[in-house]
Formats: sequence, structure tokens, C-alpha cells
Amino acid sequence: SQTIHQWPATLVQPVGSPLSLECTVEGTSNPNLYWYRQAAGRGLQLLFYSVGIGQISSEVPQNLSASRPQDRQFILSSKKLLLSDSGFYLCAWNRGVTGELFFGEGSRLTVL
Amino acid sequence: GENVEQHPSTLSVQEGDSAVIKCTYSDSASNYFPWYKQELGKGPQLIIDIRSNVGEKKDQRIAVTLNKTAKHFSLHITETQPEDSAVYFCAASKEGGNNRLAFGKGNQVVVIP
Repeated sequence: SQTIHQWPATLVQPVGSPLSLECTVEGTSNPNLYWYRQAAGRGLQLLFYSVGIGQISSEVPQNLSASRPQDRQFILSSKKLLLSDSGFYLCAWNRGVTGELFFGEGSRLTVL
Repeated sequence: GENVEQHPSTLSVQEGDSAVIKCTYSDSASNYFPWYKQELGKGPQLIIDIRSNVGEKKDQRIAVTLNKTAKHFSLHITETQPEDSAVYFCAASKEGGNNRLAFGKGNQVVVIP
């Protein structure tokens, strides 16, 4: 069966510090991968998605970036965090045919 | 692009009563409409979905109805239980291709014991 893992689960970082959130998917190959942010308003904002290694599409301009160094690995990064980067970050994957998105457990980031 | 709106933002119901959440979408070409449930501190999980070739789908206590003409779809939860308390997201997309779902802002459902 397929599983998705993301870490760390909780992170408290000072403003201006770097960020790296990792996500890996097991049990499938060539998944579509996504990073979402969920801010206090509860909505799911799509940040990045990837249909293959090295292929990243950005949905919103920001100081975050994403990379996909391996087929089942998706990384969310920042060189310098802002207060507004605080939120709940969710990694997700799907195969694109059925449409069902499978979400990770989330990473809660607090920028102080 | 697709725009999905969800109403109401918060819904409180007595245990055993029914809950209904309604979503509207803007792109008439959308043909896939899932509902996700997010429990506190966890990622959302798909609970039911419907495609545009049917008007209603039911799975035990939950059902989804679709009105393509009016471009809205609704989630119905009957005989609500405390474990139904969660945030529910609706979404819409055109199947195929990159299949990026457009999500609504979520609805907090509170079931009062």
C-alpha cells in the first residue's frame, strides 16, 4: 500500500532563518506531488506541484521554493522565513487519473 | 481558473440531526467533485466524491448531490455523531492532465452531544 510521510511535524523558527520540510511517498512511482499551506482561515492554498523529477510549478509568488530531487521526494524550502510563513503545511500526492489526493499528516511551522 | 465557494463556514448540529454543507463552483467544465474531512491536527482525507455523470452518491451516513445546471453540490451527513466533528472541504476539477483540485475554504462542523 502507499504511504506518505512528511517531517518535521512541528517546527518553531526565528524570522530570517532557513526552512526545509521533507515529504516522501512510498509504494507508488511517478506520483504527482503537491505542497499546500493552510493558514488560520482553514483554506487549502496550493503552493507548488510537480509531475516529475525536477519539474516544479508554482501557484503563488512567495519566498518559498520547492524541489523534487527524486521521484518520490518533495522538499519545501526557504532561505529566509517571514512571519507570514507560519502555518500548517501539507504534502500530498495523487496519480492524476482518479483525482483522489492523499495528504500527509502535516507540518506545523511557527515563525517568531 | 476554477473558483469554489463553501457555505456556511461553521455549522453546529445536535447529535443525531443532519448536517448539510453546500458548495458552488464557477467552471462549467469541472466534472469531478470530492469532499475531504480534516480532523484536528491531521491531513484531509477523502470521504466521498461524485462525477458529473451522476446526480447523487451515497455511502452509509454520507451522501453528495450534484446540480450541474446550478453549479452546486452538497454534502449531507445524517444521524450525526461526535466523530463527525471536523473541517470539511469541497473541491472541484476537470479530470485528466495535472488534475489540480480547487478547494473551498472549509467548513467547521461541530456535533453537540
